[in-house]
Amino acid sequence: ETGVTQTPRHLVMGMTNKKSLKCEQHLGHNAMYWYKQSAKKPLELMFVYSLEERVENNSVPSRFSPECPNSSHLFLHLHTLQPEDSALYLCASSQEPASEQFFGPGTRLTVL
Amino acid sequence: AQSVTQLGSHVSVSEGALVLLRCNYSSSVPPYLFWYVQYPNQGLQLLLKYTTGATLVKGINGFEAEFKKSETSFHLTKPSAHMSDAAEYFCAVSDHYGGATNKLIFGTGTLLAVQP
Repeated sequence: ETGVTQTPRHLVMGMTNKKSLKCEQHLGHNAMYWYKQSAKKPLELMFVYSLEERVENNSVPSRFSPECPNSSHLFLHLHTLQPEDSALYLCASSQEPASEQFFGPGTRLTVL
Repeated sequence: AQSVTQLGSHVSVSEGALVLLRCNYSSSVPPYLFWYVQYPNQGLQLLLKYTTGATLVKGINGFEAEFKKSETSFHLTKPSAHMSDAAEYFCAVSDHYGGATNKLIFGTGTLLAVQP
């Protein structure tokens, strides 16, 4: 595997389900990010981890819970989601200080 | 606060025609600027970036962009469009000061259609 990978690529879940999104970066980077991409809206930065420590949480509802067990892996745990949470969730990584971010292919989430 | 404005949510060009996608930014510090491309059902791929130095930057797939500080612009161009250029394009600005992480602010995107 190369670059940034995300699993699953597609996920359909009910509002009472609990699921997790997984991201893995194979680039040796030290920062990882979760973004939400909804139709007709700019990309929304959700969480930032630098050196496995959360450094940003952009007022994301508590039904989204991130986890970064090491510098290569990032999870987004989901529970009791709402239909408006349906979106493409993108993971990215970068090598700090300041550089471009490399994105994974995303997980298309549908909440019924 | 930083912001990015992309004029035109949809742009349509003919194959072989010039591609011009507009991006204006607002930043209180010298910015880092990026263009990303997103093909259907895929993540974002970096096309090119400006950090310092030469204001005309060349990227992949024949794209280039020019940083114009006086106009606060970073427009993306390609001399001759190809059918495979049909995608959504995002301009982004980075505040690379004050902190350990590189926070990117994205525009709302421009969907490029290429007509045969």
